[in-house]
Amino acid sequence: GAGVSQSPSNKVTEKGKDVELRCDPISGHTALYWYRQSLGQGLEFLIYFQGNSAPDKSGLPSDRFSAERTGGSVSTLTIQRTQQEDSAVYLCATQRRLSAGELFFGEGSRLTVL
Amino acid sequence: AQTVTQSQPEMSVQEAETVTLSCTYDTSENNYYLFWYKQPPSRQMILVIRQEAYKQQNATENRFSVNFQKAAKSFSLKISDSQLGDTAMYFCAFITYNNNDMRFGAGTRLTVKP
Repeated sequence: GAGVSQSPSNKVTEKGKDVELRCDPISGHTALYWYRQSLGQGLEFLIYFQGNSAPDKSGLPSDRFSAERTGGSVSTLTIQRTQQEDSAVYLCATQRRLSAGELFFGEGSRLTVL
Repeated sequence: AQTVTQSQPEMSVQEAETVTLSCTYDTSENNYYLFWYKQPPSRQMILVIRQEAYKQQNATENRFSVNFQKAAKSFSLKISDSQLGDTAMYFCAFITYNNNDMRFGAGTRLTVKP
């Protein structure tokens, strides 16, 4: 597609369940970021993938959070044993190599944990 | 640590008037990029304007311009001839040449009133 695609758009789950959020990047974009945006707040960096390099996981808030990027393309963010404080919009953004830093964002996945 | 501060949580402006959104940042790096992103109610983050730190000339994009003061680490956004479609959250962001994660401010919610 022409832009970054995220699914699901909205997810409601019960506390303790696992969820998977998917990001399809723009073709050819080598870098992929996940951010978390809580209600009315700024963006919290979670994880960064660049090509075949080891990901920068420094922003993951706990070991319940993990992410994969298969074949340098699609990425999945997994949250295990969800808690109510995990409720937020999860944004994926991708970046062309040597693109002067500009990120292209998806529309986000809104997660609500009951 | 690199931080981005937006001190105005909310602002409003009359249609056709001019408004300035403030942003300051803190870094020990000399080479970096600064950005303003717009997030309308649809959630899609859109790049408004970008500034390379090595450039002294302030960036402009149609009705949007910045006042970049490198010594003061200040990067404000001026919106001229405000339009109703400018209503959105505006995020200031920063990335260094050598760092992977783009740092975002907490955002300023701008409302353009008819």
